Parts: sequence; structure tokens; C-alpha cells
Amino acid sequence: KAGVTQTPRYLIKTRGQQVTLSCSPISGHRSVSWYQQTPGQGLQFLFEYFSETQRNKGNFPGRFSGRQFSNSRSEMNVSTLELGDSALYLCASSLDSAYNQPQHFGDGTRLSIL
Amino acid sequence: DAKTTQPNSMESNEEEPVHLPCNHSTISGTDYIHWYRQLPSQGPEYVIHGLTSNVNNRMASLAIAEDRKSSTLILHRATLRDAAVYYCILKAAAGNKLTFGGGTRVLVKP
Repeated sequence: KAGVTQTPRYLIKTRGQQVTLSCSPISGHRSVSWYQQTPGQGLQFLFEYFSETQRNKGNFPGRFSGRQFSNSRSEMNVSTLELGDSALYLCASSLDSAYNQPQHFGDGTRLSIL
Repeated sequence: DAKTTQPNSMESNEEEPVHLPCNHSTISGTDYIHWYRQLPSQGPEYVIHGLTSNVNNRMASLAIAEDRKSSTLILHRATLRDAAVYYCILKAAAGNKLTFGGGTRVLVKP
């Protein structure tokens, strides 16, 4: 069974640009969540999508947005990039939003802002 | 979100058991206790979860205190591959949000 796939694995952008990251969940999984990991703040929840609807949102500015398609694939977008957006962005999928469901993570997209 | 407290780091010898403690004194009645680990250069990996009873799977065992204010993840025979940061997380009933703390960095010595 294929795991969670995130593309691209690495990305370099400059300040002010925008970026789109992609996540393909495990087949059959309908919930996709996004996390940001930095050395200073650790792993922080960005948002969760389930059946194309945002279910949950973390404490990030509106420059961070996402969407989910009918096949459960998800994208997140960051506009007007800042140096502090340099991080590992992780996507996780689960069967649904039930609280006893484990989440399965991809290996992330490492975003570097110059 | 209810908070968990874990030691920053622990060391173990290969093939010996590892007991990772987690305190969660403000846990609510419907919070599940989840454990994830993150190996270097990888995303977090689900290890185990439980509500009230002790749980076992192929990776580890989870022992939950009777009052649920603490739990212990047990790796029965540590291998070098078990060197990772282990996160203890309380997952609320609503939604899929995982709130990660600092975790425990486990070092396994050969």
C-alpha cells in the first residue's frame, strides 16, 4: 500500500514569492492535515481538510491556505513568502476525522526562503 | 489543548527495554493518548494509541495509569533503528489536530 506522497521534496524560493505544495494521501483516506516543522517552534498544526472542507485551522496567518480535491489530494499555498516560512511542511492522512484514528505522515517538503 | 510533559532525552542500550514516561494531568475523559516517533529526515510515524486500557502492537506497548494522568510507552527490545524523537500527544474528540510538544529524544547505544 503506497504511503503519503508529498511533492516536491525540496523547494527554494525568494521572499515575496508564492508556493504551492502537493500531498497525495493513502488510498481511501479522506482526511488530510498539514503541519509546519521548524527548529524553533517544533511541529505545529496548520489545517485539516475532510471531504473538500476545511475542518480545523491552526494559528497561522491568512497567507497560508489550502484546499482538497474530490480525490482527497490536497494542496497548500503560501503567498508573499517570508524568511520565517523556511520549514519542513508535513502532510498527514487518515481514514476520517474520528479521534481514534492514527495519522500517517509523508516525509515532507523542505522549503527554503532566500 | 491538554498538555503533555516528557523528559527531553533518554539513553538506552541496544536490546534492552526502554520506558518512556508521559505526564498528562489535565487529560479529559474523551482524550485518546497517541504516541508518534520521528526518525531523522523522516515524517512522524504512528506508534500506538489508547484510551484507558493497556495496549500492545508489534512496535510497542502502552501502559496507561488508572487515573489516566500519566502513561508509559514501552519498547521491549531497543534497536539502533529505534533512535528517534518520541512524541506523546493527547488527541481530542473533535477533528484531527495533533498538538506536538518537544518529545523525548531516545539514543540507543550499541
